[in-house]
Amino acid sequence: DTGVSQDPRHKITKRGQNVTFRCDPISEHNRLYWYRQTLGQGPEFLTYFQNEAQLEKSRLLSDRFSAERPKGSFSTLEIQRTEQGDSAMYLCASSSLDSLTVDTQYFGPGTRLTVL
Amino acid sequence: AQTVTQSQPEMSVQEAETVTLSCTYDTSESDYYLFWYKQPPSRQMILVIRQEAYKQQNATENRFSVNFQKAAKSFSLKISDSQLGDAAMYFCAYIRAGTYKYIFGTGTRLKVLA
Repeated sequence: DTGVSQDPRHKITKRGQNVTFRCDPISEHNRLYWYRQTLGQGPEFLTYFQNEAQLEKSRLLSDRFSAERPKGSFSTLEIQRTEQGDSAMYLCASSSLDSLTVDTQYFGPGTRLTVL
Repeated sequence: AQTVTQSQPEMSVQEAETVTLSCTYDTSESDYYLFWYKQPPSRQMILVIRQEAYKQQNATENRFSVNFQKAAKSFSLKISDSQLGDAAMYFCAYIRAGTYKYIFGTGTRLKVLA
């Protein structure tokens, strides 16, 4: 078990370009989450997958954002036509469904996006 | 809507001393969970401690313990015998039972002085 991994760790792009981030969850975890963290703030929920199904999207996730989790394994988060306001740390987390207690989410190192 | 407030943007503690980080939250729910996460500089966020709201006993993990006051909606983290490696951002988080969306506070940056 190597934990949650994210790639790339850093991404610098020009406004208007598309970017894609990848998250590999802990292997036995069936739940996967994306959060966004801006400077001086705590992480904010973006979206949630249970297996391959995307069950919730935050209003923070505009039409330019799309997330997938094919086959319920890794996930990708794509941002189209990036804007400077998209600059943030994008965090991925995973957890294992436990009917007795709430999941504890395990976080990856994040992808820091800078939009010039 | 549920909210989590961390009123201390930054705290300092001398090595080997004890420090307490504050967190308050607002919810009308009775069944929920609270967490403290640690985010070292340029490293991933790791779980420090968690508390189930239905448990009266305060959670403890080695040098880390919480003071959970359900009626006051307060959830503070006490770090005993502080070490240089404890320096990090600490986030308090809330989640309603049966859901999956964490609500985080804005964080407290802890500095440990040698």
